[in-house]
Amino acid sequence: EVQLVESGGGLVQPGGSLRLSCAASGFTFSTYAMHWVRQAPGKGLEYVSAITSNGGRTYYANSVKGRFTISRDNSKNTLYLQMGSLRAEDMAVYYCAREIIVVVPAAKYMDVWGKGTTVSVSS
Amino acid sequence: DIQMTQSPSSLSASVGDRVTITCRASQSVSTYLNWYQQKLGKAPKLLIYAASSLQSGVPSRFSGSGSGTDFTLTISSLQPEDFATYYCQQSYSTPFTFGPGTKVDI
Repeated sequence: EVQLVESGGGLVQPGGSLRLSCAASGFTFSTYAMHWVRQAPGKGLEYVSAITSNGGRTYYANSVKGRFTISRDNSKNTLYLQMGSLRAEDMAVYYCAREIIVVVPAAKYMDVWGKGTTVSVSS
Repeated sequence: DIQMTQSPSSLSASVGDRVTITCRASQSVSTYLNWYQQKLGKAPKLLIYAASSLQSGVPSRFSGSGSGTDFTLTISSLQPEDFATYYCQQSYSTPFTFGPGTKVDI
């Protein structure tokens, strides 16, 4: 079964750090780009970050650029999100998702999502 | 970044109704437009990709159309399990921005 399982969420003080993990199983992790998407309480989905299959390129939303770092360990089938200088507005459920690329029709989409891990930022 | 808007932000409907949700991009995204359904406390679920392609396992009452900047998600006959929030997402360029969502309730 294709599965993504996030972990590492918790309560952290403003200015603190946290590392999220996303363990992949049931597919060849090293051949897929991966994404992090978050959802603040009662709010919509916000794109956070992405990384190519070999980790060679990364992308960040402006809201997290310079504070968050996405990485992956293909030998461990695991995606990471290192979060630093955390703020109240970073409080959210963080989802990891797999990217699919299709040639015909031309498409990119997120077909498998984890259940999410919750990050709380409070003093 | 490409900005996405959706309308309406919420709607009330009944079982059996035909429901239409629109999504607009701030610039052309060709057909790099996806639709997701999210139920309360759950992860998003892919419904439609490439503007009009139905994801495997998704009921045929869901359909999508459009290209460029204007897109539509249609539910032909609303079922009880369809009450949820629907998001469009462009995947033409990073960041793959989402629309603000449309909540469908009774």
